[in-house]
Amino acid sequence: EAGVAQSPRYKIIEKRQSVAFWCNPISGHATLYWYQQILGQGPKLLIQFQNNGVVDDSQLPKDRFSAERLKGVDSTLKIQPAKLEDSAVYLCASSLGVSNSPLHFGNGTRLTVT
Amino acid sequence: GQNIDQPTEMTATEGAIVQINCTYQTSGFNGLFWYQQHAGEAPTFLSYNVLDGLEEKGRFSSFLSRSKGYSYLLLKELQMKDSASYLCAVLDSNYQLIWGAGTKLIIKP
Repeated sequence: EAGVAQSPRYKIIEKRQSVAFWCNPISGHATLYWYQQILGQGPKLLIQFQNNGVVDDSQLPKDRFSAERLKGVDSTLKIQPAKLEDSAVYLCASSLGVSNSPLHFGNGTRLTVT
Repeated sequence: GQNIDQPTEMTATEGAIVQINCTYQTSGFNGLFWYQQHAGEAPTFLSYNVLDGLEEKGRFSSFLSRSKGYSYLLLKELQMKDSASYLCAVLDSNYQLIWGAGTKLIIKP
């Protein structure tokens, strides 16, 4: 089966600019996650979708981050305006949605904010 | 609060055995995952434990003790390609994944 697709792979922007990331999950996976991972740390959940509804966005900085999953398939994550501390890897993952089903991660987008 | 503790870094020798520990304090428990993450790559699933005991999968085994809030990942016959970070993650009572910071494993020849 095809894996989770993410783009772009790398992105460099200046602070206060905007950026968008795209994710296409594994076909049939109802649950989609966006994580932020800073070097040397575990992934931090930004938002979790079940089909096209939001399950958890409690750690999403809503003043600058937004995400959508139209039609319950692919998803975009946007940052506007970016800050230096947003420099991180943004990982998209999907799962079948059953509690013990493992997450399948995309290769991530490495964002550098200068 | 919810907390997962793992050693930051471990070093082992090629061909040897290493045990990576994970202790957790979470609001409820619905299972524990181990993931492997090579530098610059995405995490990949290794194992899932929800009942006490040892689960063996080739060179990798994972153990769980729910009463002690403790798990370990055991890697046998270490190979250079096992150099990676190993992440422990717990499903809490709300079925939300709580992640540890990961253990960086360095394998020396």
